[in-house]
Amino acid sequence: QVQLQESGPGLVKPSGTLSLTCAVFGGSISSNDWWNWVRQPPGKGLEWIGEIYHSGSTNYNPSLKSRVTISVDKSKNQFSLRLTSVTAADTAVYYCARAPIRNQQLVDSWGQGTPVTVSS
Amino acid sequence: QLVLTQSPSASASLGASVKLTCTLSSGHRSLAIAWHQQQPEKGPRYLMKVNSDGSHNKGDGIPDRFSGSSSGAERYLTISSLQSEDEADYYCQTWGTGKVFGGGTKLTVL
Repeated sequence: QVQLQESGPGLVKPSGTLSLTCAVFGGSISSNDWWNWVRQPPGKGLEWIGEIYHSGSTNYNPSLKSRVTISVDKSKNQFSLRLTSVTAADTAVYYCARAPIRNQQLVDSWGQGTPVTVSS
Repeated sequence: QLVLTQSPSASASLGASVKLTCTLSSGHRSLAIAWHQQQPEKGPRYLMKVNSDGSHNKGDGIPDRFSGSSSGAERYLTISSLQSEDEADYYCQTWGTGKVFGGGTKLTVL
């Protein structure tokens, strides 16, 4: 059973860049899955950020597209999120998730989440 | 535009059943959705996929008390024999040009 583990700084300065990594255990990042980033601001619902396939194909939330880059590192079996020009509105718990093509690209596995605060 | 609509809150008594609804926006009634549970202070957990024909496929270890069904543009999650640990937020999710989440339903077990 695949397990996902997020890592990265818990504090980012305003106007800076948020960078997170999701390590994949118990499965291959080169399988027929889309690898996603989802966030949840305090007290709010889930917001999809974007996804990547092992080929490098990506899809992004239009509201974040200009600031987001998702990349994959097959040698390390992990994928990463980069969000630029952050503000307090980007404070959230960030989750990585898997969405298998065989499951009609619906998310079926989640990481435990990592909190990120944007503050000076 | 693909939108998933959920009621903000629901409540039911311990031991009773509750049916949560997720409604697909016009033109998207053929889509399957996933249900996810988020208990307080925890991350989301995948419960099941619900297809437009009403069939569903549950995730590993999900109790038989949880089931899914469909009618038209509506997708349902039914929880029977409610337990205190079922008190949680429940999100539906689907896929179009990207992933879409409903706003979530906060379930209170009385």
